[in-house]
Amino acid sequence: EADIYQTPRYLVIGTGKKITLECSQTMGHDKMYWYQQDPGMELHLIHYSYGVNSTEKGDLSSESTVSRIRTEHFPLTLESARPSHTSQYLCASSESMEGGEQYFGPGTRLTVT
Amino acid sequence: DQQVKQNSPSLSVQEGRISILNCDYTNSMFDYFLWYKKYPAEGPTFLISISSIKDKNEDGRFTVFLNKSAKHLSLHIVPSQPGDSAVYFCAASLYGQNFVFGPGTRLSVLP
Repeated sequence: EADIYQTPRYLVIGTGKKITLECSQTMGHDKMYWYQQDPGMELHLIHYSYGVNSTEKGDLSSESTVSRIRTEHFPLTLESARPSHTSQYLCASSESMEGGEQYFGPGTRLTVT
Repeated sequence: DQQVKQNSPSLSVQEGRISILNCDYTNSMFDYFLWYKKYPAEGPTFLISISSIKDKNEDGRFTVFLNKSAKHLSLHIVPSQPGDSAVYFCAASLYGQNFVFGPGTRLSVLP
């Protein structure tokens, strides 16, 4: 079983609030990812990191930011939440080797009212 | 433009029969493919993978077939069980780097 955790699992918040979605893994993986998924749609990569102090934007433009100060921790922050940010956010990690599968957390379902 | 397509949003199969989930991709450079299963309110879990140097990989009831010339892969589940009911995502990567996911197919296995 993968040891990757996300909190909170569900969040309902008002427009304009700042929020941070937490993601932690205890597997020592160098690579970590954030995906955004709307119902019935594909997972879209919004951020990734290949190690400490390394972060990159993914294929889908996002107003969120990420940081990677510690190997095990990869939080995602929205400075000012908007209804268009309502979605499910999935965090994943993988080993450094090429082709390694990604292990996903349970996800955070965010609703911005 | 979707690089990984799963044209069947849903599929229903009788318990004990074979389930066949299909996936098409557009980038011929993709060299690694995976299938994930996702239950409601959970993150996707890895199921099976295949490298582009192979055309078949088998793991228990699950077999993935890759047809590079057609840019098509499929996941076969046999025999299908009610616990297999979930959303199945196909994913592809280039040189083992970031993965591109399809929209998923919802499989329902009927008892």
